[in-house]
Amino acid sequence: GIQVEQSPPDLILQEGANSTLRCNFSDSVNNLQWFHQNPWGQLINLFYIPSGTKQNGRLSATTVATERYSLLYISSSQTTDSGVYFCAVGLLTGGGNKLTFGTGTQLKVEL
Amino acid sequence: ETGVTQSPTHLIKTRGQQVTLRCSSQSGHNTVSWYQQALGQGPQFIFQYYREEENGRGNFPPRFSGLQFPNYSSELNVNALELDDSALYLCASRGGGQGNEQFFGPGTRLTVL
Repeated sequence: GIQVEQSPPDLILQEGANSTLRCNFSDSVNNLQWFHQNPWGQLINLFYIPSGTKQNGRLSATTVATERYSLLYISSSQTTDSGVYFCAVGLLTGGGNKLTFGTGTQLKVEL
Repeated sequence: ETGVTQSPTHLIKTRGQQVTLRCSSQSGHNTVSWYQQALGQGPQFIFQYYREEENGRGNFPPRFSGLQFPNYSSELNVNALELDDSALYLCASRGGGQGNEQFFGPGTRLTVL
């Protein structure tokens, strides 16, 4: 099956700092999503980005499908950005799409 | 808010019991998937339902089973509960005409004693 590796596993930032999270995957995919999991367990959709670049406010993401990696950029970090960030990839199989998740990056933003 | 709802929020069971978890998909979404997330790990795919039939399964034993109803809502049933079944169970829905993006519910936290 597809292997998904995320780095770094843990990250501590001062408020206002910028960061880059990386996701490497071992096979060709046609789905890639970035999620933020809040302390209550809710997975919040950040980006659906199987290829290309997208931006949403202070967040942006880039996926280079041919080189099998994706990057999530967080600029001007805030304490509310704290939590776990997951990358998940998938292939279309039959009528659906199984997502394989990485192990996540635990982000803590301090004042 | 993703429009995906799950019930109950929390559940405590004892080893050997059976449990049913419920999920209502986002309006217009016909595909529902279930995931298990153990503490400190990423979610693991259990299975997926499309048009009321199982349409893909992960590495979970047969005591994990499910149903999808005509309104696209879904149930996850787990028989003969084991201590290792303690986890957050997440439901995700996807609409066939809206690409591959999946949207997750808030989860059910199951504790097996």
